[in-house]
Amino acid sequence: QSVLTQPPSASGTPGQRVTISCSGSSSNIGSNPVNWYQQLPGAAPKLLIYTNNQRPSGVPDRFSGSKSGTSASLAISGLQSEDEADYYCAAWDDSMIGVVFGGGTKLTVL
Amino acid sequence: QVQLMESGGGVVQPGRSLRLSCAASGFTFSSYAMHWVRQAPGKGLEWVAVISYDGSNKNYADSVKGRFTISRDNSKNTLYLQMNSLRAEDTAVYYCARDLGWLQFRADIWGQGTMVTVSS
Repeated sequence: QSVLTQPPSASGTPGQRVTISCSGSSSNIGSNPVNWYQQLPGAAPKLLIYTNNQRPSGVPDRFSGSKSGTSASLAISGLQSEDEADYYCAAWDDSMIGVVFGGGTKLTVL
Repeated sequence: QVQLMESGGGVVQPGRSLRLSCAASGFTFSSYAMHWVRQAPGKGLEWVAVISYDGSNKNYADSVKGRFTISRDNSKNTLYLQMNSLRAEDTAVYYCARDLGWLQFRADIWGQGTMVTVSS
C-alpha cells in the first residue's frame, strides 16, 4: 500500500485532457513539494513536473501540475499516443524521513 | 553528456550480499545528492536511500534500514549501495538518480537500472 494515493488507471482519446490525482497527508504533500515522473514501457523514470508545477526543459507545456493542501494533480492536455505510460507522484515525507511515491497510474490512449 | 550508469546486479542467494555501483559522468558529481530507487517486477517505484553531496547525511527506507548502506566516492564519481542479508522481496531493478536539491527528490537524471534477483 503506497503512502500517496493515485488511481491505478486513466484513459483518454487523442486530443483530450486527462488529469491524474495524488492524495497524501500533512507530513508529505501538505508540507513538501510534489514531483511527477513519467515511465515509458521498459524505460527508466523521467522527471516530468517538479516543485508542484514546474516543467524541466524539454517537457511540453501540455503537461502541467498543481497542488492544494494535501493533494496534487497532473494534467495532460492534447493527449498523444506517446503519452501512454505510467505516471508517479512523489514527495518527501517528514514523518517517514524519506521519499514516498504514489502507486502509479497507467495512462492508456484509446 | 550527463549520464548515470549502474552496474553490479545479478542473481544472489537469500542472506548473501551484493554491492551496486553507479558511475556518473558529464556533471560535477560532488555537487549533488544522490538516491537509489527500486522497482520490483511489475510493481511501482520504491525509494531506497539518499546521500548528501558530501556523504555526511544519509537516510534509508524502513524496508532496508540496517541491511543496506549507501555511500559515495566523489574522487571516483561513483555512488554505491551495499546490500547485505538480501531477501526475496529485494528482487527489483535498482536505479540511481541525481537530485537537484536536498530532501525534495527533484530527480532529473536516472540511470538505466540494474536487475537484482534474490533467489535460491
